[in-house]
Order: sequence, then C-alpha cells, then structure tokens
Amino acid sequence: EDQVTQSPEALRLQEGESSSLNCSYTVSGLRGLFWYRQDPGKGPEFLFTLYSAGEEKEKERLKATLTKKESFLHITAPKPEDSATYLCAVRSNNNDMRFGAGTRLTVKP
Amino acid sequence: SQTIHQWPATLVQPVGSPLSLECTVEGTSNPNLYWYRQAAGRGLQLLFYSVGIGQISSEVPQNLSASRPQDRQFILSSKKLLLSDSGFYLCAWSAPSPTGTYYGYTFGSGTRLTVV
Repeated sequence: EDQVTQSPEALRLQEGESSSLNCSYTVSGLRGLFWYRQDPGKGPEFLFTLYSAGEEKEKERLKATLTKKESFLHITAPKPEDSATYLCAVRSNNNDMRFGAGTRLTVKP
Repeated sequence: SQTIHQWPATLVQPVGSPLSLECTVEGTSNPNLYWYRQAAGRGLQLLFYSVGIGQISSEVPQNLSASRPQDRQFILSSKKLLLSDSGFYLCAWSAPSPTGTYYGYTFGSGTRLTVV
C-alpha cells in the first residue's frame, strides 16, 4: 500500500533560520508528488508538483526537491507569515492523492 | 479563473440528523471532484471522488454518500449523523488527466462539522 510519512511533526524556527521539511514515500509507480500549505481553519493551498527524481521547484522562500524515496521542502530565511502546516501528497498508479499528516511550522519573530 | 465554493463554513448538528454539504466549481468544465475529511492533527482522508456526472467512487465505507447532479456540483450527504462524523470536510477539484499527467488539487475553504 502506498505510504507517505512527513517529519518532523512540528518545527519551530526563529525568523531567518533556514531549515527543511521531509516527506518520505513508498508508492507503486509515482505519478506526482505534491506540496500544499494549510493555514488553520482553511483548505490546503497548492504549492508545487514534482514528477521525477532530480526535479526542483521554487517559489519565494520555498524550494521543493525530489528523489526516488523522498522530497524536501527547503525554507530559506523564513518569516512569521510562513507559519502554517505543510502537507505532502503523492499520486501513484494505484490510488488518488494520498496525503501525509503534515508538518506544523512555527516561525517566531 | 477557476473558483470553488463550499458551504456552510461551520455546522453543528445533533446525532441522527441528516447532512447536506454542497460544493460548486466555476470556470472549468468536466473537473474531477473530491470530498475529503480531515481529523484534528491527522492527514486528509479521501471519502469520495467523481470524474463525471453521476459517477461516484467511494474510498471508505461509512454512512456518508455523495452525488454529482451537475457537472460542477458535488454534494456530500448523510441520512443520520454519528458522533464520529465530526470533522473538517473539504471539497476539491482538479483538471482531468486524460494523458496520465496529474495536477494539484484546488481546495474549498472547508466545513467544520460538529455532531453533538
């Protein structure tokens, strides 16, 4: 069965302190890996799609990378407004979008 | 541009009462539509998805049902709510994937359902 595991569950950073979030996956035939941002009480907001190992995508302070086993979401010099839960999801040949439990990021000013 | 509307935003219902949550999409045709539930501190659980009018696939057996009476309308229903039905319900849409390229989902703002 396809599995998605995100770590850490929670991450607290000081403003400007760069770090990375991890998404490990086990799927049968990866058709896409997706990152979303979710603010409290709201629906997830789509950030990136990665389709093959070695691919990278960037948006402002965020950069997503993909290997055959995991994806990283790198946050460079984060600001308090980057605080949110970041969700990783995979799409394989066997299922629809399968989500991880998320990493709750808090950036302190 | 495409937009997705989901209502109501919050709902408090007694056990045993019926449920109807509605979701509509604008600005696109023949979208794939999804209902997810998110329990506190947990990932999103796919409940139903639809690739066309009247075509519903269920992922989890439960007392919920879904219908797609129009191309851009997706409804989540229950005849009798259980306490365990409480949660955050999210509707989402994606572009069709006829060539096997899959796209990210656009989610609605969610419905917080509390069954009392």
